[in-house]
Amino acid sequence: GQQLNQSPQSMFIQEGEDVSMNCTSSSIFNTWLWYKQDPGEGPVLLIALYKAGELTSNGRLTAQFGITRKDSFLNISASIPSDVGIYFCAGRPNAGNMLTFGGGTRLMVKP
Amino acid sequence: DTGVSQNPRHKITKRGQNVTFRCDPISEHNRLYWYRQTLGQGPEFLTYFQNEAQLEKSRLLSDRFSAERPKGSFSTLEIQRTEQGDSAMYLCASSLSREGSYTFGSGTRLTVV
Repeated sequence: GQQLNQSPQSMFIQEGEDVSMNCTSSSIFNTWLWYKQDPGEGPVLLIALYKAGELTSNGRLTAQFGITRKDSFLNISASIPSDVGIYFCAGRPNAGNMLTFGGGTRLMVKP
Repeated sequence: DTGVSQNPRHKITKRGQNVTFRCDPISEHNRLYWYRQTLGQGPEFLTYFQNEAQLEKSRLLSDRFSAERPKGSFSTLEIQRTEQGDSAMYLCASSLSREGSYTFGSGTRLTVV
């Protein structure tokens, strides 16, 4: 089952607003990844984080790798309608090749 | 298009039938992964190949599931004697290295009736 707690589960916001979502884990991860998934499609990578404390931006998206290695957040600034979708965090431990995914945050943007 | 390709996109089958899905990874990627995603959940790891060797398997991969990557290129995932609980999106991903980011395919949505 899922080991990552992702919150909130869903958000309904007005276009132009900023959005913040986060993931927490009971175990340490060496890599944090944030993906976006549109209906009927596979997840698409948004941001990858490889070092504790790392803060990385990709356009209007900013993500941080928590100092404890057990959490990460994603911010989206000035949301637009095409930001609609489900956002997933994923963590990779020091050993092993699998990613563990959070339960997702469903984002809805009202024009 | 040089992304990860999965076929078929959709499959409806009767309970008890066998199904097989195919994944063609990005050509230079030697690592290939299968994940399963049920409605409202994040993807869950099933199995991992490095070249043709299957190196990790999740306990989710019951005896009815088998995956192969015979020549280290495309991979197949077979489910025997399908059950309604097998209904899900089956996602394939590939990467160039362990640290590299995954590229996911569009998935195969299986419905068992």
